[in-house]
Amino acid sequence: EDQVTQSPEALRLQEGESSSLNCSYTVSGLRGLFWYRQDPGKGPEFLFTLYSAGEEKEKERLKATLTKKESFLHITAPKPEDSATYLCAVRHSGNTGKLIFGQGTTLQVKP
Amino acid sequence: KAGVTQTPRYLIKTRGQQVTLSCSPISGHRSVSWYQQTPGQGLQFLFEYFSETQRNKGNFPGRFSGRQFSNSRSEMNVSTLELGDSALYLCASSSEERGYNEQFFGPGTRLTVL
Repeated sequence: EDQVTQSPEALRLQEGESSSLNCSYTVSGLRGLFWYRQDPGKGPEFLFTLYSAGEEKEKERLKATLTKKESFLHITAPKPEDSATYLCAVRHSGNTGKLIFGQGTTLQVKP
Repeated sequence: KAGVTQTPRYLIKTRGQQVTLSCSPISGHRSVSWYQQTPGQGLQFLFEYFSETQRNKGNFPGRFSGRQFSNSRSEMNVSTLELGDSALYLCASSSEERGYNEQFFGPGTRLTVL
């Protein structure tokens, strides 16, 4: 059964303190691993899609990497505006758009 | 390009009632998926529509249903509402031409069942 596990559940950082969020997955035939950011009361905002082990993508202070078993979202020198819940999801083999989500990591960055 | 829109944004209903939620995908996107988000269960897949056909269904009771119109707009319906149906309902659209590699969510409809 497809499964996505994110850790930690919550993370508190000081402004400028870099860290990483983890997303472990088991899926039959990965067709894409997605990272989203979600602010309270809003819909998830698309960040990245990764497709194969070794792939990396960057956007501002965020960098996502992918291995065969997990993905990391590295946050470099975070700012308070990076505070949000970060969601990881996988799409498995098959010609559909169905995503399986992890529970998310809630990040709080203090000034 | 306009994003995914959902209406209404907020709804309050009582147990036993039914509700219909609407989703307009990004122009050109023919796949629309629906998700339920609750604090305890997170984001759970409800169903996916493509070209007016339901292509995938999650593990929800038959009280949850949906449809898609020829212009790709989609609606979901929940009948005989229960307290546990209180949640944020999200829809996402994606493009088959881009291999569903970018899925964009709307702002959601917050449903409260009293």
